[in-house]
Amino acid sequence: GESVGLHLPTLSVQEGDNSIINCAYSNSASDYFIWYKQESGKGPQFIIDIRSNMDKRQGQRVTVLLNKTVKHLSLQIAATQPGDSAVYFCAENLGSNYKLTFGKGTLLTVNP
Amino acid sequence: DTAVSQTPKYLVTQMGNDKSIKCEQNLGHDTMYWYKQDSKKFLKIMFSYNNKELIINETVPNRFSPKSPDKAHLNLHINSLELGDSAVYFCASSPPTGSGRSPLHFGNGTRLTVT
Repeated sequence: GESVGLHLPTLSVQEGDNSIINCAYSNSASDYFIWYKQESGKGPQFIIDIRSNMDKRQGQRVTVLLNKTVKHLSLQIAATQPGDSAVYFCAENLGSNYKLTFGKGTLLTVNP
Repeated sequence: DTAVSQTPKYLVTQMGNDKSIKCEQNLGHDTMYWYKQDSKKFLKIMFSYNNKELIINETVPNRFSPKSPDKAHLNLHINSLELGDSAVYFCASSPPTGSGRSPLHFGNGTRLTVT
């Protein structure tokens, strides 16, 4: 499959379970963060964002948590579904609207 | 009604050739980007244009030349293609915001294979 040889961090969950995907960002001055989902053969798709003046933000079935003290971002997906299977990226924006720096990506596999 | 569209989706060519990838967005955004995704899925910015003006030019070989004829289009021309140029190239766009923060909208990528 597509994951062979990628050496991405992987997370495998059962359908219906909650998933938590973690990300360590690099720059303490970053003030805007985004989670993207990338399905096979497609471009990254926006999931949720958060500004540095917030610790938590919720969307539909997703929650993003930001811990600035340890430069950590997490994405929680409630009641994970097979359609959630994809590679998930965190991205940070430092000081400019124009340059997003992406993390390594985590491959989420949902088992039915 | 694709928001950010790239052509071609697949591009297979030989070393030394010159090729172009086109990108168009119908979102009315002011800023467009090219990102490169390598075989390990790592995404890295290459260029960004705001209202046809180059604002980000990362450490990219000068064989890569972006061109923005208008703010809805950003094309990428690559001269003298090399094996290491094989990757998936993503175009993206973002709207102007007063706060300077907005997510990027990506196209579905162009998979370039250099043989």
